[in-house]
Amino acid sequence: QKEVEQNSGPLSVPEGAIASLNCTYSDRGSQSFFWYRQYSGKSPELIMSIYSNGDKEDGRFTAQLNKASQYVSLLIRDSQPSDSATYLCAVNDVKAAGNKLTFGGGTRVLVKP
Amino acid sequence: GAGVSQSPSNKVTEKGKDVELRCDPISGHTALYWYRQSLGQGLEFLIYFQGNSAPDKSGLPSDRFSAERTGGSVSTLTIQRTQQEDSAVYLCASSSTGLGNYGYTFGSGTRLTVV
Repeated sequence: QKEVEQNSGPLSVPEGAIASLNCTYSDRGSQSFFWYRQYSGKSPELIMSIYSNGDKEDGRFTAQLNKASQYVSLLIRDSQPSDSATYLCAVNDVKAAGNKLTFGGGTRVLVKP
Repeated sequence: GAGVSQSPSNKVTEKGKDVELRCDPISGHTALYWYRQSLGQGLEFLIYFQGNSAPDKSGLPSDRFSAERTGGSVSTLTIQRTQQEDSAVYLCASSSTGLGNYGYTFGSGTRLTVV
């Protein structure tokens, strides 16, 4: 079992709709969770971080964390074609020192006009 | 600097040659990470430096790969006797290691092509 799992997609979403991305992780001791966006040919860019159970909103993005069920999700409201990218879930590696992250394989999102 | 700087941005090398990739992290960031990403694939962890601690080399794929970090700042990833399977984008990231985990900032990467 991979430590951080994501559906690879592609997740096809009509423009204006909500895109819902899910991520599950295996280590119950994980405390820090991140979502990165990666456009084709570019490097990953941090878009959201979440540390406590519940929802965290930032503009059109909402991160949701449920530590009991070991999943973290990302909602993109009013999806735009510019949101088309691969979204990477990252979780702190409890077995490593410091702030090392373990990344999921990413979910490719396609927003169709 | 303002961001993580990597050089060169592109490198084409002949099979069997050695290459050096450079990463200059954000000023004040004590942790530095190297990942590689093959075309259409996820991020593969290579090595991690944190302050003066021994580096975590658990992701290096073979003894042809090595990295060092001088003066707690700039890092160089060296690949000896390059092979075609080494072709990938090599990404460097840095982070602070104070209270809390605020995630990484990635550089723009070095695209390595071995011909």
